[in-house]
Amino acid sequence: QVQLVQSGSELKKPGASVKVSCKASGYTFTGYTMYWVRQAPGQGLECMGWINTNTGNPTYAQDFTGRFVFSLDTSVNTAYLQISSLKAEDTAVYYCARRRGTTKTEAYSDYWGQGTLVTVSS
Amino acid sequence: QSVLTQPPSVSGAPGQRVTISCTGSSSNIGAGYDVHWYQQLPGTAPQLLICRNNNRPSGVPDRFSGSKSGTSASLAITGLQAEDEADYYCQSYDSSLSGSVFGGGTKLTVL
Repeated sequence: QVQLVQSGSELKKPGASVKVSCKASGYTFTGYTMYWVRQAPGQGLECMGWINTNTGNPTYAQDFTGRFVFSLDTSVNTAYLQISSLKAEDTAVYYCARRRGTTKTEAYSDYWGQGTLVTVSS
Repeated sequence: QSVLTQPPSVSGAPGQRVTISCTGSSSNIGAGYDVHWYQQLPGTAPQLLICRNNNRPSGVPDRFSGSKSGTSASLAITGLQAEDEADYYCQSYDSSLSGSVFGGGTKLTVL
């Protein structure tokens, strides 16, 4: 069965970096684009962007350029989200989610990771 | 401020029918892009509830249905059950932002 298993919670100081992993199993990893979604405490879902797992090409939403990097290691079926120069407002749960749909305009997420809580505090 | 507008909360008694609206604009729902719905139970990851406007993935009860008209979409839940108490999010594509967008979410309370 399809599973997306994310790395555990992180506590970081402002200015540090964090790398969240998302290990996929139960399907052909390079056959589906991977979304990243952020959920701040008590808030809604925000689409951060996605990475084409076949080409490695990332696409970032407008609010997630500069400090956010999506990457892959296809040898271990894993997607990564790295955030640098962390700020208190980056405190959130970060989800990876498998993208379905032929094109980006009809895309949705059929499987989600369990989420990774990143806390930024001095 | 979300591009897609949902009511912050709705409520209903067990057995009743509730609807959750998702209002967009000409750059997203009104442009004909599909609307998808997710359910997020407390403390868990979102789960796909409705895809492509009105399609239920395998395992989703037929008490849940979706519709779309003009610049809006709706999620209907009939025969409300206590286990339906959750946050619900709509999602679509926005051509102005060139990306996927979510509604602000609606908290469903079963009275």
